[in-house]
Amino acid sequence: EVQLVESGGGLVRPGGSLRLSCAASGFTFNSYSMHWVRQAPGKGLEWVSSIDSSTSYIYYAESVEGRFTISRDNAKNSLFLEMNRLRDDDTAVYYCVRQTFIYYFDYWGQGTLVTVSS
Amino acid sequence: QSALTQPASVSGSPGQSITISCTGTSSDVGGYDYVSWYQQHPGKAPTLMIYDVSNRPSGVSHRFSGSKSGNTASLTISGLQAEDEADYYCSSYTSSSTWVFGGGTKLTVL
Repeated sequence: EVQLVESGGGLVRPGGSLRLSCAASGFTFNSYSMHWVRQAPGKGLEWVSSIDSSTSYIYYAESVEGRFTISRDNAKNSLFLEMNRLRDDDTAVYYCVRQTFIYYFDYWGQGTLVTVSS
Repeated sequence: QSALTQPASVSGSPGQSITISCTGTSSDVGGYDYVSWYQQHPGKAPTLMIYDVSNRPSGVSHRFSGSKSGNTASLTISGLQAEDEADYYCSSYTSSSTWVFGGGTKLTVL
């Protein structure tokens, strides 16, 4: 069974940093591109970042470019999101998402809540 | 990258059909057959309903169907059931090798 379990969320002050983790199991992690998608409270989904299986191709949404860094450790079946210079509008549930071999998302984690507030 | 445009809400009675539109540009929806749709119930993670414009994953009811014309994709739900009440999001791959979601549509089953 495919499982994606996020951790690392919490309360952080504006300008602060946080590192999210996603533990993957039930599939060959090093064969799949992975993404982070977020959802602000009461709002819609927003794509944040993606990383391919070999870490050769990394992309970011304009809203986080230069502040967030996506990475992965295939040996540990883990995905990460390093978030710096956090702002109030980064407050959201962050989902770890698996991309299929083509262009859609087939498995989502349950999400981890990041709250940026003073 | 601007969000794809969806109606904020739609509604229908049990047994009826509804259609949710998703409008983008030639750089996303119109440029690729990589439109997918996701259902999200309150407090839950999204689940895949349609991929590649019109394909249903195994386990998704045949009442759900998708289509696309130009820069607009559509999700149709026929034979509405109470359990279909949820938020629906479209998504598309883009020419920048990124992804974009629609703003979401709240479906109310009357």
